[in-house]
Amino acid sequence: AQTVTQSQPEMSVQEAETVTLSCTYDTSESDYYLFWYKQPPSRQMILVIRQEAYKQQNATENRFSVNFQKAAKSFSLKISDSQLGDAAMYFCAYRSAISNFGNEKLTFGTGTRLTIIP
Amino acid sequence: NAGVTQTPKFRILKIGQSMTLQCAQDMNHNYMYWYRQDPGMGLKLIYYSVGAGITDKGEVPNGYNVSRSTTEDFPLRLELAAPSQTSVYFCASSYRGLAKNIQYFGAGTRLSVL
Repeated sequence: AQTVTQSQPEMSVQEAETVTLSCTYDTSESDYYLFWYKQPPSRQMILVIRQEAYKQQNATENRFSVNFQKAAKSFSLKISDSQLGDAAMYFCAYRSAISNFGNEKLTFGTGTRLTIIP
Repeated sequence: NAGVTQTPKFRILKIGQSMTLQCAQDMNHNYMYWYRQDPGMGLKLIYYSVGAGITDKGEVPNGYNVSRSTTEDFPLRLELAAPSQTSVYFCASSYRGLAKNIQYFGAGTRLSVL
């Protein structure tokens, strides 16, 4: 079974600075997807960024980028120019790319609470 | 765009009561999921469905039942509520084969069992 570990329960960053959230995972599969979801106080889970394991290039979405190290099974999220609206819980998640019944579920880490300091 | 709609948003139950959490999506997604989120934890899969009439258990199915009679709806049933079922429940949906199966989430239902 796959596991996802987020070792930073809480992080804080000054507004406009850069912060990196860590995520490691364990799997025996070679093809999979990794996701970062944001959960603001409203509780709505919002997809931030997605990485496909067979792609070498790190995914980027505006101020959000990832550092994907497949051999190390590491998938960190970098937020540049942090804004007050970035304050939220951030969850790392894994999904197998094998298209079998039941493989499409997400396995989540325990989350990192990000605080933005004005 | 409604997306994934969950009702109710909040509910308090007494031990032993039963209730159904409703989930509906209007994106014509064939895959639907129910997760629970306990305080300070990530989401854990309760049940999922890959289409109307097809459901299967996830990691934590005990105490719950589901049905999928239509593509749009995926209700979660609690038959005999227990304090251990106090949690926030999220429904999600995805369209297999498109956009690498991004799961879209509802806003959640906060359930307290007292």
